[in-house]
Amino acid sequence: DVKVTQSSRYLVKRTGEKVFLECVQDMDHENMFWYRQDPGLGLRLIYFSYDVKMKEKGDIPEGYSVSREKKERFSLILESASTNQTSMYLCASSSTINGGHEQYFGPGTRLTVT
Amino acid sequence: AQSVTQLDSQVPVFEEAPVELRCNYSSSVSVYLFWYVQYPNQGLQLLLKYLSGSTLVESINGFEAEFNKSQTSFHLRKPSVHISDTAEYFCAVSAWYGNKLVFGAGTILRVKS
Repeated sequence: DVKVTQSSRYLVKRTGEKVFLECVQDMDHENMFWYRQDPGLGLRLIYFSYDVKMKEKGDIPEGYSVSREKKERFSLILESASTNQTSMYLCASSSTINGGHEQYFGPGTRLTVT
Repeated sequence: AQSVTQLDSQVPVFEEAPVELRCNYSSSVSVYLFWYVQYPNQGLQLLLKYLSGSTLVESINGFEAEFNKSQTSFHLRKPSVHISDTAEYFCAVSAWYGNKLVFGAGTILRVKS
């Protein structure tokens, strides 16, 4: 089974702190994604990566950056956390084989910025 | 670009009753369609998908969805729900050539005894 893990289930940070969210997948997937989930808005794509060291902006990249130094790991960085970044963050991965449309999700990190 | 509209934010239903969760999409190109489910305090799991072939697709736990190209819909149905089906359900669309998914806002299914 594909497994996507995220470093924390719950995280509380203060305004202005630098925050790192880590995601690791164990299926050698080329594609990795970061979403935020907010009630009534569904999932919105923040950043995605098709390969090591490659990244592309999603729909809401402002205030975020990412890093992909190894194929299995994709990190989301909040350079200076703000209260409007309080949310559930979901990582996902997919394979390029067979079109790469099916995404596998981690359990999520609920981030609270106070 | 693609977009997805889930017409109901919440659907309450009694156990053993039938249910339909509605999903409409918009796209200028051919698409693939998905339903994901999120149980409380968990990540999303793929429930079923339409890539090609038969327009009626089924999941292992009794859900089915039908791709209707003329109505640009992909509604999810189950003839008899269980308490354990209580979850949030997300419809998603992907252009045939791309890897990105666009999600709807989600529908919370509440099954009552």
